[in-house]
Amino acid sequence: AQSVTQLDSQVPVFEEAPVELRCNYSSSVSVYLFWYVQYPNQGLQLLLKYLSGSTLVESINGFEAEFNKSQTSFHLRKPSVHISDTAEYFCAVSIGFQKLVFGTGTRLLVSP
Amino acid sequence: EAEVAQSPRYKITEKSQAVAFWCDPISGHATLYWYRQILGQGPELLVQFQDESVVDDSQLPKDRFSAERLKGVDSTLKIQPAELGDSAMYLCASSLGRELDYEQYFGPGTRLTVT
Repeated sequence: AQSVTQLDSQVPVFEEAPVELRCNYSSSVSVYLFWYVQYPNQGLQLLLKYLSGSTLVESINGFEAEFNKSQTSFHLRKPSVHISDTAEYFCAVSIGFQKLVFGTGTRLLVSP
Repeated sequence: EAEVAQSPRYKITEKSQAVAFWCDPISGHATLYWYRQILGQGPELLVQFQDESVVDDSQLPKDRFSAERLKGVDSTLKIQPAELGDSAMYLCASSLGRELDYEQYFGPGTRLTVT
């Protein structure tokens, strides 16, 4: 069975500072990796995904994540955050188009 | 842009009552998922459909929960009777379900409060 660990339940950061949200996973088979973002009282939006190929994946709004197979990690980073990035971020894994297994989420709090 | 539709957005019900949620996936999406998200936790899969067939309902509490997707398009999730512990966000997602496209698109969710 697959599992996802997001050790940081909350990450406070000042605007324009860099941020890293950590994600580690456990699986005995190859998985696909995802980061989703959830704004208050809304559904989840896909931020970025790793299926294969380059281990560094980027989103259109400046986030990036790097797949590290040896460390079984898929940390999310952004060099300079905005107030509007305040949200809950979920890391998830799946095998093919089977169910997504989510972590418990990290709340990113960006203050001016 | 095509979206997954869910209704109602909010539902308050008393325990022991019946409640139902509806989901309309993106047109052409063969796979439909229902997730439950308890406050402060990540979503957990309740049931997965491929067309009209259930392919995974291992985490669905079958004594009180039921789900159907009769024509392989929209879907209904029902709880009867509702319990206080069922208070959560119920998320529907859909995907093409074909190889090389594993992205799941989520609806806005239905927030259920059981009193």
